[in-house]
Amino acid sequence: DAGVTQSPTHLIKTRGQQVTLRCSPISGHKSVSWYQQVLGQGPQFIFQYYEKEERGRGNFPDRFSARQFPNYSSELNVNALLLGDSALYLCASSTRQGLYEQYFGPGTRLTVT
Amino acid sequence: AQKITQTQPGMFVQEKEAVTLDCTYDTSDQSYGLFWYKQPSSGEMIFLIYQGSYDEQNATEGRYSLNFQKARKSANLVISASQLGDSAMYFCAMREVLFGNEKLTFGTGTRLTIIP
Repeated sequence: DAGVTQSPTHLIKTRGQQVTLRCSPISGHKSVSWYQQVLGQGPQFIFQYYEKEERGRGNFPDRFSARQFPNYSSELNVNALLLGDSALYLCASSTRQGLYEQYFGPGTRLTVT
Repeated sequence: AQKITQTQPGMFVQEKEAVTLDCTYDTSDQSYGLFWYKQPSSGEMIFLIYQGSYDEQNATEGRYSLNFQKARKSANLVISASQLGDSAMYFCAMREVLFGNEKLTFGTGTRLTIIP
């Protein structure tokens, strides 16, 4: 079975631009979460979605938004990019509601110049 | 105060020895969960083990066990018979539900290097 997939793998954007990152969960998984991992630090929780509804939110500004589609895939949008948004963005999926055993994707490396 | 504290930035361990990675946490909730994840150089986070705050027995998964000491608010990961493939970053994380909002907080990680 395919694991969690994320696209694109890498991306370079300029300050002020907007970016959309995509995540496809493992088949049968209904929960998707997003994390930001700045180099040298642990991941920071951004959002959790379950059955297309937001179930959890971390301490990120409103420039960050997400949604989950009927097929349980998800998009993370970041507006008005800042240099500090440069990070590895990880998506994770799980079978049930709640941040329990999660399976992570390989991440999208975003560089803001 | 930090929610999750991992005080060992790096550790070097001889192959086949056991290793303990430290994690302390801070919460006022009665119901919470603790995780350990492994992150190899490839970048993908791998779930290792989970302990619920009400679980009376320490969690075990193969060579991994979680030494849960609730009164001391510690959740150390023990890896028995270490292997070269265990070299990676290891993160401790805590799940909390605050006012209906669920969050997962990670520590800063410990880089484990296994020496042949």
